[in-house]
Amino acid sequence: KNQVEQSPQSLIILEGKNCTLQCNYTVSPFSNLRWYKQDTGRGPVSLTIMTFSENTKSNGRYTATLDADTKQSSLHITASQLSDSASYICVVSAGAHYGGSQGNLIFGKGTKLSVKP
Amino acid sequence: DSGVTQTPKHLITATGQRVTLRCSPRSGDLSVYWYQQSLDQGLQFLIQYYNGEERAKGNILERFSAQQFPDLHSELNLSSLELGDSALYFCASSGRLAGGLSTDTQYFGPGTRLTVL
Repeated sequence: KNQVEQSPQSLIILEGKNCTLQCNYTVSPFSNLRWYKQDTGRGPVSLTIMTFSENTKSNGRYTATLDADTKQSSLHITASQLSDSASYICVVSAGAHYGGSQGNLIFGKGTKLSVKP
Repeated sequence: DSGVTQTPKHLITATGQRVTLRCSPRSGDLSVYWYQQSLDQGLQFLIQYYNGEERAKGNILERFSAQQFPDLHSELNLSSLELGDSALYFCASSGRLAGGLSTDTQYFGPGTRLTVL
């Protein structure tokens, strides 16, 4: 069964500190892995997208890694800010892709990050 | 502002009823995706349309249906509503290039909050 599991479920850190969020998946066939940031009550915003051949991708203070062998990904946030408080969602795309299809998208339940002053 | 619009913002209805949610993608985007987000399930992918044709299907119930019109806007129809259908429904769009890419960034709308009483 295709699954995406994220840990921890929630995390509280102090402003300025770094943190790492984890994503483990059992999805086949794997196409790509995405990280989204979602503020409460709003639509998710894309942070990174990685294919099988990519093992790291950065977007400002966000750096995602992918280990396709162990089927693990992480999202590292550097020098956290209060505005980083949000849910971070890992999404893995499975299935064949043709003519614009992005396959079946399997979502993790997210990690809720709170950054305190 | 992602450029994706959804109407209505809020919808309150009774069990057994039918509702239609509407989504206008970003100008030029060819793909539209529908998602359901409930408190206990997290985000779930329902269905993707590309240039008017169904391209990928997730966990969409038989009571739910969608379509994409020639002007690329999309509608999600929910019928025989149950209490458990209460959720935030998001639409996203991507793919300004013909053919689309499996790694295209998806841009999410603000969502429609459906409450079934």
